[in-house]
Amino acid sequence: GNSVTQMEGPVTLSEEAFLTINCTYTATGYPSLFWYVQYPGEGLQLLLKATKADDKGSNKGFEATYRKETTSFHLEKGSVQVSDSAVYFCALSFQGGKLIFGQGTELSVKP
Amino acid sequence: DGGITQSPKYLFRKEGQNVTLSCEQNLNHDAMYWYRQDPGQGLRLIYYSQIVNDFQKGDIAEGYSVSREKKESFPLTVTSAQKNPTAFYLCASSIALNTGELFFGEGSRLTVL
Repeated sequence: GNSVTQMEGPVTLSEEAFLTINCTYTATGYPSLFWYVQYPGEGLQLLLKATKADDKGSNKGFEATYRKETTSFHLEKGSVQVSDSAVYFCALSFQGGKLIFGQGTELSVKP
Repeated sequence: DGGITQSPKYLFRKEGQNVTLSCEQNLNHDAMYWYRQDPGQGLRLIYYSQIVNDFQKGDIAEGYSVSREKKESFPLTVTSAQKNPTAFYLCASSIALNTGELFFGEGSRLTVL
């Protein structure tokens, strides 16, 4: 079946460090891929998305590239801030199909 | 502001009681969803609705019920049949069913005493 696997957290970084959160997927065909972010005590927000291979989604300094050959959609940011502390969810969906979430990766950024 | 409003934010329930979580949206979205979030398990789909007066079971519907009498509203009832109801519940909506771009409420945390 279709599934999403994320690197386990928590990930702890110092402010201004480089961030990578790994996400790989298993799917039949070519899904759309998403990153959602959940700040403490809140619901999820869409952070970025990519709908086809080699697309790069970007928002708020975060980037992720849809890699068909490695079935990956890793989230990156060049310089994290304390305000980036949150739980990040990778997800996939096919047209007309439900959204399938990974288990989430908690990021903690220290000053 | 347009968005999704969930209430209550925190709710305590005694075993054997039914409770209803409210979800209202003013985004004019057709589709609405309920998810359950448990630590380390991501989000699991409970129920979803594509249109008024229609709803479908998700992956973990047992022990839950919903209604969709109005486009704006999609309440979730956690019944006494739900064996492990303590969780964080999230309501979401999208313009149409399964577009992948969901808008979420801030969640309701249910604790069974």
